[in-house]
Amino acid sequence: GDSVTQMEGPVTLSEEAFLTINCTYTATGYPSLFWYVQYPGEGLQLLLKATKADDKGSNKGFEATYRKETTSFHLEKGSVQVSDSAVYFCALSDGSSNTGKLIFGQGTTLQVKP
Amino acid sequence: KAGVTQTPRYLIKTRGQQVTLSCSPISGHRSVSWYQQTPGQGLQFLFEYFSETQRNKGNFPGRFSGRQFSNSRSEMNVSTLELGDSALYLCASSPRGGDEQYFGPGTRLTVT
Repeated sequence: GDSVTQMEGPVTLSEEAFLTINCTYTATGYPSLFWYVQYPGEGLQLLLKATKADDKGSNKGFEATYRKETTSFHLEKGSVQVSDSAVYFCALSDGSSNTGKLIFGQGTTLQVKP
Repeated sequence: KAGVTQTPRYLIKTRGQQVTLSCSPISGHRSVSWYQQTPGQGLQFLFEYFSETQRNKGNFPGRFSGRQFSNSRSEMNVSTLELGDSALYLCASSPRGGDEQYFGPGTRLTVT
């Protein structure tokens, strides 16, 4: 079945460092891809999305490109802030059913130190 | 627009009891999905409702059930609670399903 694999965390960076969180997927059909962020004690917030190959999603300085040839959707940010500390989830929509089912990676914890 | 709301936010139950969680989606959204989040298993899909019909179901036992009302509000029920049901239960809504979902803050269920 469809699946998502993220790099293991935690990832610890200094403020203003460059961030990459790797995400690869396996899927049948043509899924949409998403990055969600979860702050302590909260639900998930949609960070960005891409719906087809070569689409680039971007928001709040984060970006990710839907790479069909490498089945990847890596999250990047040029300069992280302490406020970016959170857990980041890569997800794909279940393209075979076109219903409201998201399949998530295991999450990557990011800690940014001042 | 108001976001997705979930009630209650916290719940403590005893093994063997049952529990009902409620979710109100964003106005105009007809798809409501439920997820269970645990440290060991991560985020797992429970089921999705669209226009009062269950359209997709994850791999959970029959003790987990749900329903959706005509106003798109949804409830999930867990019967005969087990210790392993302790988790954060997240509800998400979307206009039609199949696209981005918007999550509520979750209900933290603790089973003792």
